Amino acid sequence: DAKTTQPPSMDCAEGRAANLPCNHSTISGNEYVYWYRQIHSQGPQYIIHGLKNNETNEMASLIITEDRKSSTLILPHATLRDTAVYYCIVLLYGQNFVFGPGTRLSVLP
Amino acid sequence: GAVVSQHPSWVICKSGTSVKIECRSLDFQATTMFWYRQFPKQSLMLMATSNEGSKATYEQGVEKDKFLINHASLTLSTLTVTSAHPEDSSFYICSATETTFATGTDTQYFGPGTRLTVL
Repeated sequence: DAKTTQPPSMDCAEGRAANLPCNHSTISGNEYVYWYRQIHSQGPQYIIHGLKNNETNEMASLIITEDRKSSTLILPHATLRDTAVYYCIVLLYGQNFVFGPGTRLSVLP
Repeated sequence: GAVVSQHPSWVICKSGTSVKIECRSLDFQATTMFWYRQFPKQSLMLMATSNEGSKATYEQGVEKDKFLINHASLTLSTLTVTSAHPEDSSFYICSATETTFATGTDTQYFGPGTRLTVL
């Protein structure tokens, strides 16, 4: 079973920041938070992952709360091509990835 | 990021025939590869874990004799759907793990998927 809870869908205006929340209240100290996205009819694409500290790469920023019970993926300037299903996954090193239903993000023109 | 390819991208076959899908890690060696299946409007479901040089580990409910997995090298895993039937029609996706030893983390990189339609 997925260990995360995400809203089923969100809308975001093109050019604005998209903030996608994820609750993982039962996360353990050694579990990482991973984010992937899946554009229609394609394989999932890795976005970012982190343990405790906030992380940033060329695609997005990951903000993890101090108690690690929730996190937010931030796409700073959403484009139409960012429309996808976004998956938040929590797991230990060596564990299998378990995909929940994710959040369907629609970027609107 | 690392690149994983799949071939073919889509295939249509007659009921009763077998179909082979290839998964390759292009710029890294993958000790472990994974096979997933995704039905329309559903999330990915793990079918099996494939380790190079050993037998695959199948998830509960996945028939190992129907979905044959071979992981002969560190860059290639194949999934063969034997005696395919219409209910096997689905989107099959593979992934390969790249380990970052500095942080002790595994990142899975996914292939583009193969859409199988069984008539």
